[in-house]
Amino acid sequence: RKEVEQDPGPFNVPEGATVAFNCTYSNSASQSFFWYRQDCRKEPKLLMSVYSSGNEDGRFTAQLNRASQYISLLIRDSKLSDSATYLCVGRTNTGNQFYFGTGTSLTVIP
Amino acid sequence: DVKVTQSSRYLVKRTGEKVFLECVQDMDHENMFWYRQDPGLGLRLIYFSYDVKMKEKGDIPEGYSVSREKKERFSLILESASTNQTSMYLCASSRAGTKSSDTQYFGPGTRLTVL
Repeated sequence: RKEVEQDPGPFNVPEGATVAFNCTYSNSASQSFFWYRQDCRKEPKLLMSVYSSGNEDGRFTAQLNRASQYISLLIRDSKLSDSATYLCVGRTNTGNQFYFGTGTSLTVIP
Repeated sequence: DVKVTQSSRYLVKRTGEKVFLECVQDMDHENMFWYRQDPGLGLRLIYFSYDVKMKEKGDIPEGYSVSREKKERFSLILESASTNQTSMYLCASSRAGTKSSDTQYFGPGTRLTVL
């Protein structure tokens, strides 16, 4: 079983829609979580960290549920430029190991 | 801003050649990582290093070796390239900490094709 699992999608949504991605993790030693965004043929880039209390950055909201071991990302008012693959990432409490999901593909349609 | 650079964006090599992929980071990060990324398989860790001259095997180290002689530089070596090593190779670095800001930063990647 993978350490971090995501629904690969693809998610095809119209502009302006709200879309949510979920991610589950199996390693209870995972201490911190992140969402990365990866555009086609580019490197992954940090989108946001995920806090237990939930955090928001503009149209993006991330949540962590430690009891159920899942992480979510909500994108409101989707833009064409949000089209990308979104990677869920866990990091161990030693800080040295990162576990990546295989990514969820999002296409926002005009 | 953190900057991670990789020596080549695209590389074409022949089977059996020795291949060097170089990665340099300018943020004094302790940790450095090499991944390969293939469609449907996501990012897979090849090796990582948490200090100069230190290295740890990742999930798929076979056919690869690494070198970290200086803190800012982490090299991936394919001793004898094979066609199944055709892939996108991504280098990353991070601070050795557990703050939310201590996450990984990636280089632009090297797309290696082995013929």
